[in-house]
Amino acid sequence: DAGVIQSPRHEVTEMGQEVTLRCKPISGHDYLFWYRQTMMRGLELLIYFNNNVPIDDSGMPEDRFSAKMPNASFSTLKIQPSEPRDSAVYFCASSPRQGTETQYFGPGTRLLVL
Amino acid sequence: LAKTTQPISMDSYEGQEVNITCSHNNIATNDYITWYQQFPSQGPRFIIQGYKTKVTNEVASLFIPADRKSSTLSLPRVSLSDTAVYYCLSRGISSGSARQLTFGSGTQLTVLP
Repeated sequence: DAGVIQSPRHEVTEMGQEVTLRCKPISGHDYLFWYRQTMMRGLELLIYFNNNVPIDDSGMPEDRFSAKMPNASFSTLKIQPSEPRDSAVYFCASSPRQGTETQYFGPGTRLLVL
Repeated sequence: LAKTTQPISMDSYEGQEVNITCSHNNIATNDYITWYQQFPSQGPRFIIQGYKTKVTNEVASLFIPADRKSSTLSLPRVSLSDTAVYYCLSRGISSGSARQLTFGSGTQLTVLP
């Protein structure tokens, strides 16, 4: 298995632009998580899905952030419009079963908003 | 919300045993404690998981006291390649939501030659 795949690995954009981050979870995993990591705030859970349905999006910073999971093998995290304070590493993780807390992380997308 | 607390950093020398303790004083009754390792420019990677007493795998051991309000990750005979950030993860009481899955702030372990 290729593991969790994220794209792009790096993104540099200007303030106000739309940013779309993509994730392909491990096949067969029912749960998908989006995290943001910064030096100041560490790892923050933004949103998670169960069987493609968003379960808890209370970690999404504000309305500029949105996430979708149209099918079991693909999810997107969109920021529109982007701001410099959105600069961070965004991780996608998937898990076969919530109860185990064993999440498999992707390599992350490093976002820089100028 | 679940709250976990870890030391910010630790230094060690090659060949020594390293113990990193995490406190999670409102952990849910039936949930596991999980530790992750993160290298620069990579996502966190699962190391070990336990519920109570002691768990050992090929990488580490995990010690959990009876009250489960803390856990200690033990890395035997560390090498330079063990330099990384280590996170503990637990779930807060009375929650069925992954929202309560709370990563600690992480412990930067630096192994010196």
